[in-house]
Amino acid sequence: DSGVTQTPKHLITATGQRVTLRCSPRSGDLSVYWYQQSLDQGLQFLIQYYNGEERAKGNILERFSAQQFPDLHSELNLSSLELGDSALYFCASSEGTSGGPTDTQYFGPGTRLTVL
Amino acid sequence: GQNIDQPTEMTATEGAIVQINCTYQTSGFNGLFWYQQHAGEAPTFLSYNVLDGLEEKGRFSSFLSRSKGYSYLLLKELQMKDSASYLCAAMDSNYQLIWGAGTKLIIKP
Repeated sequence: DSGVTQTPKHLITATGQRVTLRCSPRSGDLSVYWYQQSLDQGLQFLIQYYNGEERAKGNILERFSAQQFPDLHSELNLSSLELGDSALYFCASSEGTSGGPTDTQYFGPGTRLTVL
Repeated sequence: GQNIDQPTEMTATEGAIVQINCTYQTSGFNGLFWYQQHAGEAPTFLSYNVLDGLEEKGRFSSFLSRSKGYSYLLLKELQMKDSASYLCAAMDSNYQLIWGAGTKLIIKP
């Protein structure tokens, strides 16, 4: 158990809908990362927050948005869903973000999103 | 551009030793991470190297050569449960992780 929690575990929805994925980082971790992993594909970095502020953006679609709240939990919002958005969505957290072993990312169990 | 290369798939025998190589090209370098990921599960952290040399952790060891932009993960006394994907990730000068596509390791009895 990494200490990172994600809800829900599974989500089934229809095209065109909007969903929200939630992540709580490990206690003491200030940085949260979101990743997408399609079937048999590598990890695609979406976005990073550090202490409530957006820190880095990866291949995140305009239909997707995220935020990190004052209690450090984060939410990833996916809208106008398409079939191709079906994937595992992972959240990870790290203590720091400035180099060294404190930047080690610990991953949550993921949310499996199925768009029908 | 920034890039991580690692083999797509490797096969090894239970009880044997396997070495998974990773080469990286990043703008700046702040360390190299290895993760293990079983199918359908979350990646789990294995090792972190920032200085040249070998780091040993039980059956797993990780090596780094910064001058060559090269790392490997060495797995000894392979067990069936080691069947998984192994992800190499390098941290660039902006402290962002550049991820490889992963190496799928198949262990045969």
